[in-house]
Amino acid sequence: QLQLQESGPGLVKPSETLSLTCTVSGGSTSSSAYYWGWIRQPPGKGLEWIGTFYYSGSTYYNPSLKSRVTISGDTSKNQFSLKLTSVTAADTAVYYCARMEYYYHSSGYQKYFDYWGQGTLVTVSS
Amino acid sequence: QSVLTQPPSVSGAPGQRVTISCTGSTSNIGAGSHVHWYQQLPGSAPKLLVYGNTNRPSGVPDRFSGSRSGTSASLAITGLQAEDEADYYCQSYDSTLSGWIFGEGTKLTVL
Repeated sequence: QLQLQESGPGLVKPSETLSLTCTVSGGSTSSSAYYWGWIRQPPGKGLEWIGTFYYSGSTYYNPSLKSRVTISGDTSKNQFSLKLTSVTAADTAVYYCARMEYYYHSSGYQKYFDYWGQGTLVTVSS
Repeated sequence: QSVLTQPPSVSGAPGQRVTISCTGSTSNIGAGSHVHWYQQLPGSAPKLLVYGNTNRPSGVPDRFSGSRSGTSASLAITGLQAEDEADYYCQSYDSTLSGWIFGEGTKLTVL
């Protein structure tokens, strides 16, 4: 059974960099069959896609966060990571990592999040 | 404000049928991007409920069904149960934003 586990500091100071790691067990981040993503949820609010990583090194970022986000992978550790720079209180959220399944349809490749980590709360505060 | 619009809340009595709408545009659902649905129980991570507009992953009861028409999609829940009380989110891909998008979420209350 695939499992994902987020880890990292729960408290980050304003203007600093938020760093989180997702460790995958029961599956491989070096597989060509899946993508890997980060999603966040501010307290009491909805879900926001942050970015996506593919084993080849390709990355895709939410345009609204693109200037501050970096997602990378470490296949030797079966992990992928998120870095978000210059954080403010608006970045306070539960951060989830998730696997993205994909398939081809006549309208193009489709992707969805089929397995999620439990999430980790990151608070931005001095 | 999300590009996928969902009603903030819906409610129904046990045993009843409810539907949750997800309204998009010609740059996402109307462009052929499939819609996927997630259930988020209180204090838990989202769980995949429907993928590819109409498909249920193994283990999801057939009380849950998805549909899509034009620039909108819907999630129907029949035989409502107390355990269905949760937040529900739709998700698709937007070609204008070049990214994956979620609806604002709908809170289902079982009366």
